[in-house]
Amino acid sequence: AQSVAQPEDQVNVAEGNPLTVKCTYSVSGNPYLFWYVQYPNRGLQFLLKYITGDNLVKGSYGFEAEFNKSQTSFHLKKPSALVSDSALYFCAVRERGSARQLTFGSGTQLTVLP
Amino acid sequence: GAGVSQSPSNKVTEKGKDVELRCDPISGHTALYWYRQRLGQGLEFLIYFQGNSAPDKSGLPSDRFSAERTGESVSTLTIQRTQQEDSAVYLCASSLAASGERVEQFFGPGTRLTVL
Repeated sequence: AQSVAQPEDQVNVAEGNPLTVKCTYSVSGNPYLFWYVQYPNRGLQFLLKYITGDNLVKGSYGFEAEFNKSQTSFHLKKPSALVSDSALYFCAVRERGSARQLTFGSGTQLTVLP
Repeated sequence: GAGVSQSPSNKVTEKGKDVELRCDPISGHTALYWYRQRLGQGLEFLIYFQGNSAPDKSGLPSDRFSAERTGESVSTLTIQRTQQEDSAVYLCASSLAASGERVEQFFGPGTRLTVL
């Protein structure tokens, strides 16, 4: 079975400071890993993915994430936060085998303070 | 190009009625998924379609839920005899492939279902 944990329901950061949103996962074998963002009254938007290769992946809007196999983590990062980054962030995992669906974390509400 | 579209955007129904939710995936995407998002929670997988293969129905919560897909196009999620606990946002997603590099799923705006 696959699972995702986002240990923080809420993350607050000042504008211009670096931000980190944490994610750990559990799967059998090697994972596909994803980050999505959800703005109020809007659907989920794809940010970035880890499939294979370089452990540091870069995505939309200046976000990046680092795959750490030994710690089974895939934390989302951005060097300098913007107020417009305030939203709900979801980490998701998928096994490489027969299971095709994503398993999502419970979400982390990011608030960037001006 | 156009993204995933869903209709209706909002649906209010009475307990015991049947509802149909529609999803139009991105053209050329072979895989289609339905998820449910209850208020303040993450997404729950419901069902997955891939080409002409038998769908993966392992996430459907009860036999009141069913879904169909015509080829690699439109999908309909049907909920029969709706209950108040069915109230949620129902999200549809599609992906270009189900394995390999292009597996990221793109989501529609969702249908907000309210059962009174």
